[in-house]
Amino acid sequence: SQTIHQWPATLVQPVGSPLSLECTVEGTSNPNLYWYRQAAGRGLQLLFYSVGIGQISSEVPQNLSASRPQDRQFILSSKKLLLSDSGFYLCAWSGTNQPQHFGDGTRLSIL
Amino acid sequence: AQSVTQPDIHITVSEGASLELRCNYSYGATPYLFWYVQSPGQGLQLLLKYFSGDTLVQGIKGFEAEFKRSQSSFNLRKPSVHWSDAAEYFCAVGARNYQLIWGAGTKLIIKP
Repeated sequence: SQTIHQWPATLVQPVGSPLSLECTVEGTSNPNLYWYRQAAGRGLQLLFYSVGIGQISSEVPQNLSASRPQDRQFILSSKKLLLSDSGFYLCAWSGTNQPQHFGDGTRLSIL
Repeated sequence: AQSVTQPDIHITVSEGASLELRCNYSYGATPYLFWYVQSPGQGLQLLLKYFSGDTLVQGIKGFEAEFKRSQSSFNLRKPSVHWSDAAEYFCAVGARNYQLIWGAGTKLIIKP
C-alpha cells in the first residue's frame, strides 16, 4: 500500500533562517505531489504542485520554493523565513484522477 | 468565480444524534467532490469522494454524502455521531485532482 512520510513533525526557526521540509511517498510511482499551508483556524492554501520530476507549479507568490529531485520526493524550502511563514504545512500525493492523500503535517513556528 | 462554502464554522451535536454538514460550491462544470476530516495537529483523511454515478456516496466511519446538482451541494451526513467524530471537516471540489478548491472547514463538537 502507499504511504506518505513528512518530517519533521514540529519545527521552531528564527526569522531569517533557512527552511527545508521533506516529503516522501512509498508504494507508487509518478505521483502528483502537493504542498499546502494551513493557517490557524483556516482552510488549506495550495502552495505548489508537481506532476513529475523537476516540474513545479507555484500557486502563490512568496518566499518559499519547492523542488522534486526524485520521483517520490518533494521538498519545500526557503532561504530566509518570515514571521508570516508560520503555520501548518501539509504534503499530499495523488494518482492520476485520484483523491489526494495527506501526510501528518509539520507545525512550523517562526520566532 | 469558483468557490466552496461551508456555512457553519462550528457545529455542536450531542453524542448519538444525527449530523449534517453543509457544503455548497460554485463551479463551471460538474466537479469531483470530496470530504476530508482532520483531527487536531494531524493531516487530512479522505472520508469519501464523488466522481460520477450514484449521487449518494458511502464513505468510511459511517459517513455518507449526497450530491445534488440542482442545489450545487454535497452535504455530509452521519446517522449517529460518536465522541471520536469530533474533528474539523473539509469539503473540496475540483475538475482535476491538483486544482482542488477547499472550503474553510467546519469544526464538529460533540456533547456528551
